[in-house]
Amino acid sequence: IVMTQSPLSLPVTPGEPASISCRSSQSLLHINGNNYLDWYVQKPGQSPQLLIYLGFIRASGVPDRFSGSGSGTDFTLEISRVEAEDVGVYYCMQGLQFWTFGHGTNVEI
Amino acid sequence: EVQLVESGGGLVKSGGSLRLSCAASGFTFSSYTMLWVRQAPGKGLEWVSSINGNSAYLYYRAPLEGRFTISRDNSKNSLYLQMGGLRAEDTAVYYCAREKDSDSHTLDLWGRGTLVTVSS
Repeated sequence: IVMTQSPLSLPVTPGEPASISCRSSQSLLHINGNNYLDWYVQKPGQSPQLLIYLGFIRASGVPDRFSGSGSGTDFTLEISRVEAEDVGVYYCMQGLQFWTFGHGTNVEI
Repeated sequence: EVQLVESGGGLVKSGGSLRLSCAASGFTFSSYTMLWVRQAPGKGLEWVSSINGNSAYLYYRAPLEGRFTISRDNSKNSLYLQMGGLRAEDTAVYYCAREKDSDSHTLDLWGRGTLVTVSS
């Protein structure tokens, strides 16, 4: 399954909203109703960390300014009000058939 | 503390071998499927291999099967990746990661990674 993110680079302004899109080459909607789509962020010099799983569930400790939506092949990560600490590369990942990541979106102030 | 700590990376010549280790702590290691994910310099993330809790199911990224071998020792809370026939394109930071559960396939815990550099 091929994951395609857009944009690849996203300049943001603190306090403003931001949005990243992710499209999969096959539907990630399982018969059980789950969309096997996660979002991760890799902050500078760090390892990736989980933000959103199963398309829309925020991981523990993730601020509520982050939200995930979508189903099937089209997904979106939204940041309601960007903060300086949100800088990093954001990846979507499918977990339906093994694991495949998008190429990443570089979010920069 | 719940954490994963990789080790074993380094500089190796093309065609050489290397064994990576990942030490887990703070959780019941044997209950989790574990993965290796790599990231070439300046590039994105790529799943390498996975192993379930009792080592019954081992999977590899297709082009790597035959050169890489994943294993685990639950008595030592450790995950391993034996890499052989190394090539320049294997140069990357190798992360071990934990699958949250079989219902989500989400990777909820990552180590800090270990750098493997393959020289020609």
